[in-house]
Amino acid sequence: DAGVTQSPTHLIKTRGQQVTLRCSPKSGHDTVSWYQQALGQGPQFIFQYYEEEERQRGNFPDRFSGHQFPNYSSELNVNALLLGDSALYLCASIAYVRDRGETQYFGPGTRLLVL
Amino acid sequence: KNQVEQSPQSLIILEGKNCTLQCNYTVSPFSNLRWYKQDTGRGPVSLTIMTFSENTKSNGRYTATLDADTKQSSLHITASQLSDSASYICVVSNRADSWGKLQFGAGTQVVVTP
Repeated sequence: DAGVTQSPTHLIKTRGQQVTLRCSPKSGHDTVSWYQQALGQGPQFIFQYYEEEERQRGNFPDRFSGHQFPNYSSELNVNALLLGDSALYLCASIAYVRDRGETQYFGPGTRLLVL
Repeated sequence: KNQVEQSPQSLIILEGKNCTLQCNYTVSPFSNLRWYKQDTGRGPVSLTIMTFSENTKSNGRYTATLDADTKQSSLHITASQLSDSASYICVVSNRADSWGKLQFGAGTQVVVTP
């Protein structure tokens, strides 16, 4: 976990609802990535935020949106929830180290269940 | 097609025994390769990270190897313990994606039994 916090830890929603997940990065890290991990699968990249802007995006529909605040914390919003959105949502805090590339630390995740 | 393939998909071993997990990748160009341990319902925790010039890296009972020519990596667990039961994920970074977009394998689920 290494200092990355996520909230809430668990969440139950119904189809069509909207959800907001939150992430606070490790101190000194200014870049945050969000991942979706279905049961038994590896994490899938959703998007990344740097300097309050979306820098990169994976293959996720526009129902998935995000935000980064001046203190580098971030939110993931999912609209019009589908059953298939049930997953563990991971936030990764990132710092770039010269000659070694990025260093990523994952939060504990938010388990979302859509009924 | 996933650019990072892991094998086996799952593995059951007796406590105290050794095991080796495999990771093959096609990601190019290559920046670094990491192995993560993920307990059920928790976030992944980094075990090792290797760049192009490194071919082995140890972290306690975990030893990772990297052959950048054949694009293969392995994670060896020595004298397994019950607490080693987890999913082990191989993650490769593409140098072209310089800001943290990583390619994840699906993971190998390891179960250590008494």
